[in-house]
Amino acid sequence: DNVMTQSPDSLAVSLGERATISCKSSQTVLSSHANKNDVAWYLQKPGQPPKLLIYWASTRESGVPDRFSGSGSGTDFTLTISSLQAEDVAVYYCQQYYSLPLTFGGGTKVEIK
Amino acid sequence: QAQLQQSGPGLLKPSQTLSLTCAISGANISSNIDAWNWIRQSPSRGLEWLGRTYYRSQWHSDYAVSVRSRITITPDTSKNQFSLRLTSVIPEDTAVYYCARGWAVADWGQGTLVTVSS
Repeated sequence: DNVMTQSPDSLAVSLGERATISCKSSQTVLSSHANKNDVAWYLQKPGQPPKLLIYWASTRESGVPDRFSGSGSGTDFTLTISSLQAEDVAVYYCQQYYSLPLTFGGGTKVEIK
Repeated sequence: QAQLQQSGPGLLKPSQTLSLTCAISGANISSNIDAWNWIRQSPSRGLEWLGRTYYRSQWHSDYAVSVRSRITITPDTSKNQFSLRLTSVIPEDTAVYYCARGWAVADWGQGTLVTVSS
């Protein structure tokens, strides 16, 4: 299985400041025929299913604010929230969909400092 | 964007069979570009993909190794829905179960808390 390892486990950031989450995959997720990395990012609030933010490592889902951005390639990926808002408090997950089984990171809890 | 509505019981005893259904609106289960997944979430195992079904000229299914001997995911084209069947449940199968569309999953069901307890 392709293990997705996120860090940190939790993060406290002041309102308006930057939050950065890392995700490392144990195997490549670069699709050679499409030249895209099959990595997605989600946020999840209590009692709700995850919400897709980013796919192909850096493409924002429709309706997602541009303060959310994804970067990286190969095995190392980053989700950045450029200016943290109160509504961004959530748990964030990365996921690879390059190979089966689909696998998720363990989650990063983002809070307000 | 599709809407996924889950149904099924939330309380089971060990050795019973878990059965959940996911009704799809706003998309066709027989689409040749989609996949239809079951994913569960628990504090101990996090988000865990269980399996999927999809149509590419014929129906296909893939399952996680951890549940392969116990799981079946079945499409129902007449009702535009798909189902999860997990046999011989144990307490460790206690989780919130989600149906979900796609590989990067944009559409999720509302979740069903399934508790396995004697």
